[in-house]
Amino acid sequence: RKEVEQDPGPFNVPEGATVAFNCTYSNSASQSFFWYRQDCRKEPKLLMSVYSSGNEDGRFTAQLNRASQYISLLIRDSKLSDSATYLCVVNGRGSYIPTFGRGTSLIVHP
Amino acid sequence: DGGITQSPKYLFRKEGQNVTLSCEQNLNHDAMYWYRQDPGQGLRLIYYSQIVNDFQKGDIAEGYSVSREKKESFPLTVTSAQKNPTAFYLCASSISLAGGHNEQFFGPGTRLTVL
Repeated sequence: RKEVEQDPGPFNVPEGATVAFNCTYSNSASQSFFWYRQDCRKEPKLLMSVYSSGNEDGRFTAQLNRASQYISLLIRDSKLSDSATYLCVVNGRGSYIPTFGRGTSLIVHP
Repeated sequence: DGGITQSPKYLFRKEGQNVTLSCEQNLNHDAMYWYRQDPGQGLRLIYYSQIVNDFQKGDIAEGYSVSREKKESFPLTVTSAQKNPTAFYLCASSISLAGGHNEQFFGPGTRLTVL
């Protein structure tokens, strides 16, 4: 089992839709979780940290499920500008070295 | 204006040449990292450094070397021993490697192409 797994997609949704991505991780001792956004041919940028209690930032909601070892990202009222690749990051391998998933591609169309 | 910079943005190398990619940060971060990203792939860790004068191999260190003589700087050398160096190279930094303080901030990347 890979350390951090994501469905590569693409998720193709219309503007205004709600879309959710999951990311599973294998190391039950993981402590830190993040979602990054990466636009084509650009660097990843931090979107949200994921806290145990869940957190929300505008249209974006992130949640952590430790029992099932996954984190999720929910995007409400999708905008064209949300089109990007969303990377899940988990610290792992018994240390704090961040491990990246391969990313989930989102395409929002008019 | 704090941030992390990489240069050059594009780099072309002939086979058999060593090249050095620059990474500088003025965020006062202790930890720095180098990743490689191939088309359609995730980020793979090459080297990381927790503190000045210390660095550790990541998952794909063969054919690469680094130094960390200053807190602000973490240059990466791609040597001729790296058989497939064409890729997008990303440098990142974080406050530390400790849990809760390892949100990473990335530079704009260097695209290396071997001719």
